[in-house]
Amino acid sequence: QPVLTQPPSTSASLGASVTLTCTLNSGYSTYKVDWFQQRPGKGPRFVMRVGSGGIVGSKGDGIPDRFSVLGSGLNRSLAIENIQEEDEGDYHCGADHSSGPSFVPNWVFGGGTKLTVL
Amino acid sequence: EVHLSESGGGLVQPGGSLRLSCAASGFTFSTYAMSWVRQAPGKGLEWVSVVNGGATGTYYADSVKGRFTVSRDNSKNTVYLQIDSLRAEDTAVYYCAKVENYFGSGRLDYWGQGTLVTVSS
Repeated sequence: QPVLTQPPSTSASLGASVTLTCTLNSGYSTYKVDWFQQRPGKGPRFVMRVGSGGIVGSKGDGIPDRFSVLGSGLNRSLAIENIQEEDEGDYHCGADHSSGPSFVPNWVFGGGTKLTVL
Repeated sequence: EVHLSESGGGLVQPGGSLRLSCAASGFTFSTYAMSWVRQAPGKGLEWVSVVNGGATGTYYADSVKGRFTVSRDNSKNTVYLQIDSLRAEDTAVYYCAKVENYFGSGRLDYWGQGTLVTVSS
């Protein structure tokens, strides 16, 4: 099954830009990945889905235009421009790995990246 | 507006049981699958289970198969997770999430705030 790798932490200054990476393991270059934002003490919030060609479908409710995604090879990245204090939190990537002709849902997630806004 | 609210968590001894509930509002509950995802302290997300809109299909992660049971009551707009034979490694915040379609495979487009389960003697 797919394995998603995320760096454990990153930081960015207020007003700057940052790119969060999520890397699929070899053999899964066609997989789509979902990004979730988790603010401190809150439940996750769907941001958007990204495939090899970029965004798939629409963004989650209330996700600002400052958020975008890029898909290339095994990488599924989330970019945030003009970072605000409210963007601080954990960012998780996940993939729906429904397998086989009988269709068995199975989700896998990366370890998450903690974004600190300086 | 979609709203999901989990309840039922608490402190339980190893080997014990709990039933978690997730009350939903703001959408036609019976037409969407519902999923449970957990997060151990300081760790990432781990998918646990999903039930389709009609409760005719249920699926589980290997780590909980045989110990956890997901169900739903569409008349009450509520999904449940019965967790038995609890182990220390089940300690986590348990989130319910709405799936974007009836069947169970798709985006987890709305999540609740979670309920904490602590397994300890």
